[in-house]
Order: sequence, then C-alpha cells, then structure tokens
Amino acid sequence: SQQGEEDPQALSIQEGENATMNCSYKTSINNLQWYRQNSGRGLVHLILIRSNEREKHSGRLRVTLDTSKKSSSLLITASRAADTASYFCATGRNYQLIWGAGTKLIIKP
Amino acid sequence: DADVTQTPRNRITKTGKRIMLECSQTKGHDRMYWYRQDPGLGLRLIYYSFDVKDINKGEISDGYSVSRQAQAKFSLSLESAIPNQTALYFCATSDTDSNQPQHFGDGTRLSIL
Repeated sequence: SQQGEEDPQALSIQEGENATMNCSYKTSINNLQWYRQNSGRGLVHLILIRSNEREKHSGRLRVTLDTSKKSSSLLITASRAADTASYFCATGRNYQLIWGAGTKLIIKP
Repeated sequence: DADVTQTPRNRITKTGKRIMLECSQTKGHDRMYWYRQDPGLGLRLIYYSFDVKDINKGEISDGYSVSRQAQAKFSLSLESAIPNQTALYFCATSDTDSNQPQHFGDGTRLSIL
C-alpha cells in the first residue's frame, strides 16, 4: 500500500519559474524524505525532514512539513532544465520507507 | 565507482526461468533493501535486511527470495519468473539511524516474456 500521494502527477513550467510539489500521507511518521529520479536511473536523496521539524532548506530546495495536516511540500526555486525528473516523497516509519507515486516535472527552456 | 552497484542492468528472460539480481555496496551500511518500481505506482518494498542474519519480508515478497551473503552483498531471486514480474528493480542501503536517507543503485530493468 502507498502511504504518500504526490500532487500534481505531472508539472510543466518554464525555466526560471518555481516548482511546487505536494505530498500527503495517512499515518504517523518519523520523517519524510524527498528523492529525485532521472529517467531510467536510480533515486537520489534530496532532503529529509524529521517529524518535529516544520521547514528545511537545501540550496534551491525548500521543504515544509505539516504533521497536523499530514502533508509536505517541496519547492524548487529558479528551476533549471537539469531539474527535469520525477520527484518522490517517502515517509519513514518503523525503519521502512513507504513511497508515493511521484510527480513528473518538466522544465521547458 | 558507484557506492551501490546492481548487476545486470538489463535482463530479458522467459517465463519459468530462475533469475538472480545482485547488489553490492561499498558504503559500509548494515541495512539493505530490494524494491520494485512499476509505472505510476512508485516503489514497493520486496525484502529488507538489517544485517547478515536478519532478513524480512516487505509488502510484495511472494514469488521472490533473497540472500544476504555478506554485509556488502544482497541478492534477489525470482525462482520461476512470470510476466507480471516485469519491472524496474532497485537495491538500496541505509545506515542504522532511522533518520538517514537510503542510497540507491541504478536499477535492473527486467523483462519477462
């Protein structure tokens, strides 16, 4: 069963614009993680936010977590063509990760 | 060299064949995982191992088996492959701290005819 659900399923924006992806989940968590997957490749970890944290930054990435709403958002600022990829949220609980189906992000030049 | 290496990268085989996918890691992590990815479904956990003597079933273990030969090696076997096991398979590793990320190999694309 999938814990996380990303929204939107697909997003197409112009280079330089900001991209926002959302993730909702159903049960309590220890942490929430975001990963990127380029076509045909493995997943690369982007950022981890613990359940007692509300916001975290890493370069052009900003992640928020609202445990009362069981939701998280990933903001990529000043998008670049190289950001084109699928983005997945995964919730960490009981030493396992449960994954959403991902958001496919396309950055148009 | 990659920290998590999966072999083969691609495999095409026939229904009923036995297949082994291999994973090795140089990260020194105790925890290793096998996932399956199907289009539109994200990743689903097949098996995971917290150390050489600890192997656990994941969400979709039926039809699969695993072997943890050493801390650095974790293999996945399909005893008698069937077409609906066609998918992209990923191996991952992580530290023992539950608030640490997982590190993935580049995957094995498996097609069963």
